[in-house]
Amino acid sequence: SSELTQDPAVSVALGQTVRITCQGDSLRGYYGGWYQQKPGQAPILIIYDKTNRPSGIPDRFSGSSSGNTASLTITGAQAEDEADYYCNSRDNSNNRHVFGTGTKVTVL
Amino acid sequence: QVLLVESGGGVVQPGRSLRLSCAASGYTFSNFAMHWVRQAPGKGLDWVAVISYDGSYKYYADSVKGRFTISRDNSKNILYLHMNSLRGEDTAVYYCAHGPSFDPWGQGTLVTVSS
Repeated sequence: SSELTQDPAVSVALGQTVRITCQGDSLRGYYGGWYQQKPGQAPILIIYDKTNRPSGIPDRFSGSSSGNTASLTITGAQAEDEADYYCNSRDNSNNRHVFGTGTKVTVL
Repeated sequence: QVLLVESGGGVVQPGRSLRLSCAASGYTFSNFAMHWVRQAPGKGLDWVAVISYDGSYKYYADSVKGRFTISRDNSKNILYLHMNSLRGEDTAVYYCAHGPSFDPWGQGTLVTVSS
């Protein structure tokens, strides 16, 4: 199966750390990245190639991966980090991409 | 920098067709794969299709295979999505995204399938 499963919602206190996970078999062969989407806006890439951040993405965002699980960690969450987060992968057997179910992060 | 602008969305009746466009600028369009991704109202991201840099490879989600066609015109720096036999469940904001990392995305264009 190429499905990617994420927790629907998590909350984090301002300045604290939160980890979001993404599980799926396709992650064993291909790790696409993590995307942040705020209401009414297009998604933006925040992590690629497991651990890399595009320019302009704060270093409080970090990524990791092991087996069939990818993780996004926000260390020292800020109010502006409140958003939906999606992981992404590709099924190497048919070259079809897939997005995770999405996690809504609330900063308290 | 890379800029993607979608157009062509609107209200269409079930069973009809629509063509979306994505105009690219700020980079060598013909060197990179491109994707279409959609998002139904209040729902998550749903990958639709990808096309290789030269158009020789195309892959589709099962939900649109046989009804949608992705294409590109590298001489005009435009990506297309031809959508046939539209259904209510195709109602969504459609985004184009620069591959292979889906970075960046366009602002999206809304397609509403309704009678």
